[in-house]
Amino acid sequence: QKEVEQNSGPLSVPEGAIASLNCTYSDRGSQSFFWYRQYSGKSPELIMFIYSNGDKEDGRFTAQLNKASQYVSLLIRDSQPSDSATYLCAVNGDSNYQLIWGAGTKLIIKP
Amino acid sequence: DAMVIQNPRYQVTQFGKPVTLSCSQTLNHNVMYWYQQKSSQAPKLLFHYYDKDFNNEADTPDNFQSRRPNTSFCFLDIRSPGLGDAAMYLCATSRDGGRGETQYFGPGTRLLVL
Repeated sequence: QKEVEQNSGPLSVPEGAIASLNCTYSDRGSQSFFWYRQYSGKSPELIMFIYSNGDKEDGRFTAQLNKASQYVSLLIRDSQPSDSATYLCAVNGDSNYQLIWGAGTKLIIKP
Repeated sequence: DAMVIQNPRYQVTQFGKPVTLSCSQTLNHNVMYWYQQKSSQAPKLLFHYYDKDFNNEADTPDNFQSRRPNTSFCFLDIRSPGLGDAAMYLCATSRDGGRGETQYFGPGTRLLVL
């Protein structure tokens, strides 16, 4: 059974600091990795996707992928209260169409 | 703007009373998905369509059915809702469903079963 693991949190970070969210996955063959943000009562919204080892930056967000260690991270710089949400990690599955989802990490940014 | 639309946003039904949730998309994507998400859990894929080809997940209960009459619309039918079916139902689309392709979500329908 392929799995994606995330710490459920909550992770509490002061405003302006860097928030670091981690995700580990079990399938060494995984190639595509996604971070979605989900506000309470809302649907998931794509924040970042990454295919290659290393870092990918988009504004205040950086995704880091380490395939050898089978983890992917999301860093949020200059954290804002509006970043408070649950962050879901998803990884491609064996077949087309399939994404394996983590249960998410709840992030709280304290003013 | 191209988007995924779900109606209604909130649905209250009675135990055992059939309910239909709808999803439409203006992205012209070939693949449409239905997920169920309960509080603090990962989204759970129920089924998906590639064009008109229906694909059911092995553990999706028979109580859940779907229809896709055309490219733009997809419906989720719950034939006899139970209390355990109360959840957020998410519709998503992707262009061709290739391995690891990005999925785009609608706003969701929150279902309450009384």
